[in-house]
Amino acid sequence: EPEVTQTPSHQVTQMGQEVILRCVPISNHLYFYWYRQILGQKVEFLVSFYNNEISEKSEIFDDQFSVERPDGSNFTLKIRSTKLEDSAMYFCASRGGAVSSGANVLTFGAGSRLTVL
Amino acid sequence: DAKTTQPPSMDCAEGRAANLPCNHSTISGNEYVYWYRQIHSQGPQYIIHGLKNNETNEMASLIITEDRKSSTLILPHATLRDTAVYYCIVKNNNNDMRFGAGTRLTVKP
Repeated sequence: EPEVTQTPSHQVTQMGQEVILRCVPISNHLYFYWYRQILGQKVEFLVSFYNNEISEKSEIFDDQFSVERPDGSNFTLKIRSTKLEDSAMYFCASRGGAVSSGANVLTFGAGSRLTVL
Repeated sequence: DAKTTQPPSMDCAEGRAANLPCNHSTISGNEYVYWYRQIHSQGPQYIIHGLKNNETNEMASLIITEDRKSSTLILPHATLRDTAVYYCIVKNNNNDMRFGAGTRLTVKP
């Protein structure tokens, strides 16, 4: 079964450092997403991406965050200057391109745990 | 998106059916009901979705009331591996998937 792959599985960084989280979505999917989950809290939407641009972003996704699809396979989330409160699990997801309920089914990766010290 | 209301937690005996309710009284005509689950800290996993008809797949059944204001996810024979947080989400085809607090289901031996 096709998978969404995320790397690294766990990253520890110092406050103020830049972090890039990488995702390889399912190959024929056209919509890409990042979510985050702070320990013990709900899964929060960060950003959606389609046709090489951001479709929607939440209030969490401020100027410290950026996303990019640098080539045909990777989808990255960059946090420019990490803060303690950025410590969370970050999930990448993707879905197909057709406008149908079935195409709205998201496939999630296993997540990248970010720990900011 | 229409809001959903789910009980914060439920228990179920292993081998028995788990029935997880969801209220979505403000659902619009073009909004679907999606169910996902999250086992421990893994990525959310899609279970099933429907518009107004009942749906069944290899994982679960989804029963949607005739007025579409509520639905029930049924795991017919719950196992210990079904212990997870279950999310009921209502959305149309254009907006993004947003998660609430869900129901923490604990399957007990």
